[in-house]
Amino acid sequence: GQQVMQIPQYQHVQEGEDFTTYCNSSTTLSNIQWYKQRPGGHPVFLIQLVKSGEVKKQKRLTFQFGEAKKNSSLHITATQTTDVGTYFCAGPDNNDMRFGAGTRLTVKP
Amino acid sequence: DVKVTQSSRYLVKRTGEKVFLECVQDMDHENMFWYRQDPGLGLRLIYFSYDVKMKEKGDIPEGYSVSREKKERFSLILESASTNQTSMYLCASSYRGPGGYTFGSGTRLTVV
Repeated sequence: GQQVMQIPQYQHVQEGEDFTTYCNSSTTLSNIQWYKQRPGGHPVFLIQLVKSGEVKKQKRLTFQFGEAKKNSSLHITATQTTDVGTYFCAGPDNNDMRFGAGTRLTVKP
Repeated sequence: DVKVTQSSRYLVKRTGEKVFLECVQDMDHENMFWYRQDPGLGLRLIYFSYDVKMKEKGDIPEGYSVSREKKERFSLILESASTNQTSMYLCASSYRGPGGYTFGSGTRLTVV
């Protein structure tokens, strides 16, 4: 089955700095999803990208889907302490989604 | 507010016990999933179901079974709990086809 690799595994930033996490697939994806899991919480669906080269924004979060539909990124501008958590990407694999290992973001006030 | 509800937030069981983890969703979703989440290993799929009475093995089905007798309910069963099954268990559901998963709050199971 396809594999979804996510980097970096951890990222520590100063509040106000930008943050980016990258997701790469071994196969072409029909879509890619992003989730956020706060410490002690459960994953919450953020967004789904479907089209090649697609870019979507949610306030300070920018999501991109690569032209070849094999990679994606999530960029957060001017991080805040509320951005703390683990960000997962996920791509379809037969009847379910294959999750990346996640990028754990910590923010120093 | 749509929900996936897991019956217990914390659970402590003894080695060898039969354990039932229950999950109920109120969104009329066709698909339901059971994952376990362990530090450094991410989310690993145990079993999923895309219809009533249907089930498919995920990546780590050994030591687990599932039951889906009604559309809204998906149960995970640990036939004989072992210490290596100590983990956070997450249930999720989704519509058939592309679309995000809705996760439950999780059950943190400790097997002693």
